[in-house]
Amino acid sequence: DIQMTQSPSSLSASVGDRVTITCRASQDISTYLAWFQQKPGKAPKSLIHAASRLQSGVPSRFSGSGSGTDFTLIISSLQPEDFATYYCQQYNSYPPTFGQGTKLEIK
Amino acid sequence: EVQLVESGGGLVRPGGSLRLSCAASGFTFSSYSMNWVRQAPGKGLEWVSSITGRSSYAHFADSVKGRFTISRDNTKNSLYLQMNSLRDEDTAMYYCVRDGDNNGFFDSWGQGTLVTVSS
Repeated sequence: DIQMTQSPSSLSASVGDRVTITCRASQDISTYLAWFQQKPGKAPKSLIHAASRLQSGVPSRFSGSGSGTDFTLIISSLQPEDFATYYCQQYNSYPPTFGQGTKLEIK
Repeated sequence: EVQLVESGGGLVRPGGSLRLSCAASGFTFSSYSMNWVRQAPGKGLEWVSSITGRSSYAHFADSVKGRFTISRDNTKNSLYLQMNSLRDEDTAMYYCVRDGDNNGFFDSWGQGTLVTVSS
C-alpha cells in the first residue's frame, strides 16, 4: 500500500496567516492526489483533486501543487472558517490511502 | 445538488452483522463508482470498499475482506454495505462517497452513519 505522510500533524496560526501543509507519498503517484477539509462532527469536504484542481465553490485562497511524491496545500490568508483538519489522499492505486491529517488551530 | 444519505448504523455485538444503506439523489447514480470510507472515533480516514457503476468490479480493504460485501441497486439509486463478523475495531462513522471522475477522486460525501461494535 502507498503510505501518505502529512506534516505537520498540527499547526497553530492566526487569521490572515499564510499556511502550508505538505503531503509525501511513499511512491510516485503522479498527480492523483486530493485534499479534504473536515470540521468537528462533519463529513469531509473535497477541496482539491488532481493535485491542483480546485473543486467548484472552494475559495481561491486554497491552492495545491506537486507531482510524483511531494505535494503542498497552501491557504494564502487564513479565515476563521478554515480552522479544521486537513487530509491528503492518493488515488493512483488501490487501496486509496489517506494521510494522518493536519489539525489547524487558532493561535 | 448531489445528496448522499446513509442509514442503518447502530450498536451491534462482536460477531454480529449490520447492513448499511446509502440513498443517492441529484445525479445519475448508475454512471458513478461509489465507495464506503470510515473513520474511527478521534482517528483518521480509512477507505473500506468501492464498486463500479454497473457492479462489474468491487474492491475491499484488507481489514474487511471476506467479512464485508458491497452492492448497489441502480433502480433504487442505493448503495449498500453488508458487514458480517463485526469486530470492536470496526467501530466507526461510515461515509458513503461518490467517485466524482470514476478515477478514484472522492468528490461528494454523505453525513455518515455510526456503527458501534461492543458487548
